[in-house]
Amino acid sequence: AQSVSQHNHHVILSEAASLELGCNYSYGGTVNLFWYVQYPGQHLQLLLKYFSGDPLVKGIKGFEAEFIKSKFSFNLRKPSVQWSDTAEYFCAVNGLGANNLFFGTGTRLTVIP
Amino acid sequence: NAGVTQTPKFRVLKTGQSMTLLCAQDMNHEYMYWYRQDPGMGLRLIHYSVGEGTTAKGEVPDGYNVSRLKKQNFLLGLESAAPSQTSVYFCASSPTGGFEKLFFGSGTQLSVL
Repeated sequence: AQSVSQHNHHVILSEAASLELGCNYSYGGTVNLFWYVQYPGQHLQLLLKYFSGDPLVKGIKGFEAEFIKSKFSFNLRKPSVQWSDTAEYFCAVNGLGANNLFFGTGTRLTVIP
Repeated sequence: NAGVTQTPKFRVLKTGQSMTLLCAQDMNHEYMYWYRQDPGMGLRLIHYSVGEGTTAKGEVPDGYNVSRLKKQNFLLGLESAAPSQTSVYFCASSPTGGFEKLFFGSGTQLSVL
């Protein structure tokens, strides 16, 4: 069965600090990987995704993530966070051909001005 | 272009009552999904549909029924609500499988007393 682990439940940073959120998954086959963001009171929006090719993917708003196959990881990074990045971030995994997208438990990011 | 619209946005039920949540999309998408989001649990798939007239069980289908009589609508029913079904429900749609383009609704907050 697929599962996704996000080890950081709540991260608090000051503006301009660098961000790295961890995501590890368990699945034996080929996967598609996603990071979603949920701003307060809003629906989930796609930040970035990895399907194949360059393991370093860039998304919207300056976010990037690196797929490390040997570590089953897909960590999210941003060099300098802003107050407007305050939100909940979800990592998600889809096994190739499967009809489900498995989500991690989410990481709440609070950015202090 | 409204995207994915969920109604109602909020609802309070008493144990044993029934209700139907409506999800409507105007993007002519084939695939539609119902998720529930619980604190510390991430999003979990309840049911999904790969086209008009089709439905299938997801990760946590018990206590729910769904129907997709029209391509644009995906209904989620609770026949006899239980407190364990208190959650935030999200509908999503996608033009194809693989989750490459997944659009979420703004959610329905349901409380069962």
